[in-house]
Amino acid sequence: DTAVSQTPKYLVTQMGNDKSIKCEQNLGHDTMYWYKQDSKKFLKIMFSYNNKELIINETVPNRFSPKSPDKAHLNLHINSLELGDSAVYFCASSSISGGAKDTQYFGPGTRLTVL
Amino acid sequence: LAKTTQPISMDSYEGQEVNITCSHNNIATNDYITWYQQFPSQGPRFIIQGYKTKVTNEVASLFIPADRKSSTLSLPRVSLSDTAVYYCLVVTGGGNKLTFGTGTQLKVEL
Repeated sequence: DTAVSQTPKYLVTQMGNDKSIKCEQNLGHDTMYWYKQDSKKFLKIMFSYNNKELIINETVPNRFSPKSPDKAHLNLHINSLELGDSAVYFCASSSISGGAKDTQYFGPGTRLTVL
Repeated sequence: LAKTTQPISMDSYEGQEVNITCSHNNIATNDYITWYQQFPSQGPRFIIQGYKTKVTNEVASLFIPADRKSSTLSLPRVSLSDTAVYYCLVVTGGGNKLTFGTGTQLKVEL
């Protein structure tokens, strides 16, 4: 069974549309994250949630809204998509909230292409 | 804004030792340094973690000097399957800013 899963794996859409990416983890972890990886392979944290509560919210446009219905799910909704949103988005989870000490388990990524 | 930087790329041959350094001069005093490996079309996966001095596991060693402003991932006797991008991860600034390094593409050849 996949530990951290994301759907869809690929997402191609037009500018201005609204889309969602779903993430689920079956590891029983308390903390989940969203990362953006750009074309230069830079990985940047966007959000993290601990037990459904937002604990990290980096400088991300408010068009991006994470939603955590329960601690096993963290979905990412994006409004009014722009060309610059094209990237690979990774979901991750860890057992404890906080810093680099907590081993993170990553999903396979969602490649978003905005045309 | 201090960045967490790594060499963009490194080339090696099978059987050699590879050392990849990450510079993180704004690291938080109370957190660890973790390294991840990423293969194409996959998410990063944990390799090794440490706080200071040297840590060794079955796949790598991690060297951290006393000032903790850098760290070096050492891969002994690399093989073709070690071709990947390697990232360090630290907490920077005053608290909880998780920051990945810029990533190093390691290419191993025969």
